[in-house]
Amino acid sequence: DVKVTQSSRYLVKRTGEKVFLECVQDMDHENMFWYRQDPGLGLRLIYFSYDVKMKEKGDIPEGYSVSREKKERFSLILESASTNQTSMYLCASSPSGGGADSYEQYFGPGTRLTVT
Amino acid sequence: GDSVTQMEGPVTLSEEAFLTINCTYTATGYPSLFWYVQYPGEGLQLLLKATKADDKGSNKGFEATYRKETTSFHLEKGSVQVSDSAVYFCALSALTGGFKTIFGAGTRLFVKA
Repeated sequence: DVKVTQSSRYLVKRTGEKVFLECVQDMDHENMFWYRQDPGLGLRLIYFSYDVKMKEKGDIPEGYSVSREKKERFSLILESASTNQTSMYLCASSPSGGGADSYEQYFGPGTRLTVT
Repeated sequence: GDSVTQMEGPVTLSEEAFLTINCTYTATGYPSLFWYVQYPGEGLQLLLKATKADDKGSNKGFEATYRKETTSFHLEKGSVQVSDSAVYFCALSALTGGFKTIFGAGTRLFVKA
């Protein structure tokens, strides 16, 4: 089974802190994604990566950055946390290859971040 | 741009009732369509998918048919159980969007015993 793990299930940080959210997948997937999930808004894409050291902005990248130094690990960084970044953060991965299976995403359990 | 619209929740049903959650989409090209489910305290997991028009995806008693003429992918189940209580997300992916997936807002389902 594909497994996507996230470093924390719950996290509480103070405004202005630098926050690191880590995601690791064990299926050698090329593509990795970070979303935030808010009630009534569904999932919104923050950043994604097609390969090591590659990153692309999603729909809401402001206030976030990412790092992908190894294929299996994709980190989301909040440079200076703010209260409007309180949310559920979900990491996902998917294989590459061009077929329809490339679009199927595998999700981690999520990190509920509270910024006070 | 591409988008997914699904019915607002919450939807509350009694056990063994029939379930329909409506989903329509807008996309250029020929997207693949998905339903994902999120159980309490968990991430999303794929429930079913369809990759071309008239395909029917099915899993765990749930079904959805890819209707190109009505740009719809409605989720149905003939007899829901309490364990089906979750949030359901309709989604699409298209080659024109790279490997990105567009998700609907989600529909929360409560099933009462």
